Amino acid sequence: SQQGEEDPQALSIQEGENATMNCSYKTSINNLQWYRQNSGRGLVHLILIRSNEREKHSGRLRVTLDTSKKSSSLLITASRAADTASYFCATDNDNQFYFGTGTSLTVIP
Amino acid sequence: NAGVMQNPRHLVRRRGQEARLRCSPMKGHSHVYWYRQLPEEGLKFMVYLQKENIIDESGMPKERFSAEFPKEGPSILRIQQVVRGDSAAYFCASSPAGANYGYTFGSGTRLTVV
Repeated sequence: SQQGEEDPQALSIQEGENATMNCSYKTSINNLQWYRQNSGRGLVHLILIRSNEREKHSGRLRVTLDTSKKSSSLLITASRAADTASYFCATDNDNQFYFGTGTSLTVIP
Repeated sequence: NAGVMQNPRHLVRRRGQEARLRCSPMKGHSHVYWYRQLPEEGLKFMVYLQKENIIDESGMPKERFSAEFPKEGPSILRIQQVVRGDSAAYFCASSPAGANYGYTFGSGTRLTVV
């Protein structure tokens, strides 16, 4: 499989803690994207990081990309109950677009 | 298990023509979602269907776009009178019983309007 793979598959934390999710992939990429999916809803695009970027911030989100290790991480700081969702990484290398199977995050109030 | 199959993988249409994109969900999956990705942008939700029903089409343009998921056969996303702005990658995902059970995505159809 050339899909991105997230780990952990499931993560449960207390509100206020930080949550870190990792994504590994196998092919060369143009960019890597993170998405959130709330229960019963479609995917929501969170952030896109290009292959020549190493780190990107958006509000409480911080994404890193290590192309030498073919991995990315998503950090959510000061988590809130509303952050409870599934998080997916997706890689785009022109010819293929692959999603991982997701990390299910539960933030306990 | 063939996964979610989308065809064609690449589709070229002239302005004004119709584009038909097909999605065969995984075996046992009765929920289908369509997403569009414009160049250098993230995926955007278009429509959510179950067999013979449109559940949520809030992301689909009101004109020229339609989707169906018949009792038999694949889900079809139809774009009439295509324009250059319709050029994008269109992705389909399926799940067995709604989003809580996880998505499986297809590899997408890349539509180019010339």
